[in-house]
Amino acid sequence: DVKVTQSSRYLVKRTGEKVFLECVQDMDHENMFWYRQDPGLGLRLIYFSYDVKMKEKGDIPEGYSVSREKKERFSLILESASTNQTSMYLCASRDRGEKLFFGSGTQLSVL
Amino acid sequence: GQSLEQPSEVTAVEGAIVQINCTYQTSGFYGLSWYQQHDGGAPTFLSYNALDGLEETGRFSSFLSRSDSYGYLLLQELQMKDSASYFCAVGDSSYKLIFGSGTRLLVRP
Repeated sequence: DVKVTQSSRYLVKRTGEKVFLECVQDMDHENMFWYRQDPGLGLRLIYFSYDVKMKEKGDIPEGYSVSREKKERFSLILESASTNQTSMYLCASRDRGEKLFFGSGTQLSVL
Repeated sequence: GQSLEQPSEVTAVEGAIVQINCTYQTSGFYGLSWYQQHDGGAPTFLSYNALDGLEETGRFSSFLSRSDSYGYLLLQELQMKDSASYFCAVGDSSYKLIFGSGTRLLVRP
């Protein structure tokens, strides 16, 4: 089975901190994604990557950046965390078809 | 703009059939997918339609009409474990997938 692993299940950070969310997949998928999920808003795409060192902005990239130095790892970076970035963050990778495989999510609280 | 519309909540009785609709407006179209998410869990893939018509996978079926920008997920013989949120998602490019806000399904005994 495909496994997408997110480094932390729960994270508490302070306003202004730099935050790194890590995601690793073990199936050699080229496409990887970062979403945030908020009640009533569904999943909103932050960034995606279609290859190593390649990235594209999603719908809500402001305040975020990403890094994909290796195929299996896709990192989301909050340069200066703010309270409105408190959310559930979901990483996903996609196979050659149309199927997304999600990690279990990181619930980030910014105080 | 790009949008996907689906009902926020649906309630049904165990053993019944329920249909969750999804209408979309996107700049491109690369297929309609459905995902299930239980509380506290990650979304999991249910189905994908690239062409018009019905796709059946066990108790779940998914339908697409590209001319109407419309699709639905049909759940038959509902079970309590089907209580979850269901998201439709549209590929608006070969890479990008846009999700709806989700439909919370509550199955009652």
